[in-house]
Amino acid sequence: QVQLQESGPGLVKPSGTLSLTCTASAGSISTSQWCSWVRQPPGKGLEWIGQISQRGTTSYNPSLTSRVTISVDKSKNQFSLTLTSVTAADTAVYYCSSHPGYWGQGSLVTVSS
Amino acid sequence: QAVVTQEPSLAVSPGGTVTLTCGSSTGAVTSGHWTYWFQQRPGQAPRTLIYDTSSRHSWAPARFSGSLLGGKAALTLSGAQPEDEADYYCCLYYSGGRVVFGGGTKLTVL
Repeated sequence: QVQLQESGPGLVKPSGTLSLTCTASAGSISTSQWCSWVRQPPGKGLEWIGQISQRGTTSYNPSLTSRVTISVDKSKNQFSLTLTSVTAADTAVYYCSSHPGYWGQGSLVTVSS
Repeated sequence: QAVVTQEPSLAVSPGGTVTLTCGSSTGAVTSGHWTYWFQQRPGQAPRTLIYDTSSRHSWAPARFSGSLLGGKAALTLSGAQPEDEADYYCCLYYSGGRVVFGGGTKLTVL
């Protein structure tokens, strides 16, 4: 079964860019119908950020679409998240996930100066 | 954007049965929404229990089952165990590849 691991900076300055990578092991993301990013602000519920399909089609949460990009590098068995112009409201644990329901352990990203 | 609704909290006795539901503001939930159900214990990542409405993941105990019930998606727990106390989230897929999560149900086993 696929194992996922998020990586990236844990601290980002306001107005900066959040960048995270999800690396798959013990399996290939190429066989997943989709790969997605989900976040969870402290003490709150889950929020879907967006996903990329096996064919490379992306779809994003309408509330984030102007700031978010998801991409995939199949040669490295990775997919990535970029979120621009971040504010304190973007502080959350960020999870990567792939079909049919594999999850990473999560990466806490704090937006603060 | 669609709103997905879940019961904020539910309680079940050990060994008992409880059904959590997942509704959509756009109308009846169907198999085309490819409903997922997740369990999240405090301090842990979510864990997928059910995908595509009723397919149980390999690691999900057999006491969990997914279905469609009365226009909603449903997660039924039969024979609750103390370790089932957790938050449960559903998510639905909508046209255009968009996904919406419900607000979660806090399940207490007592």
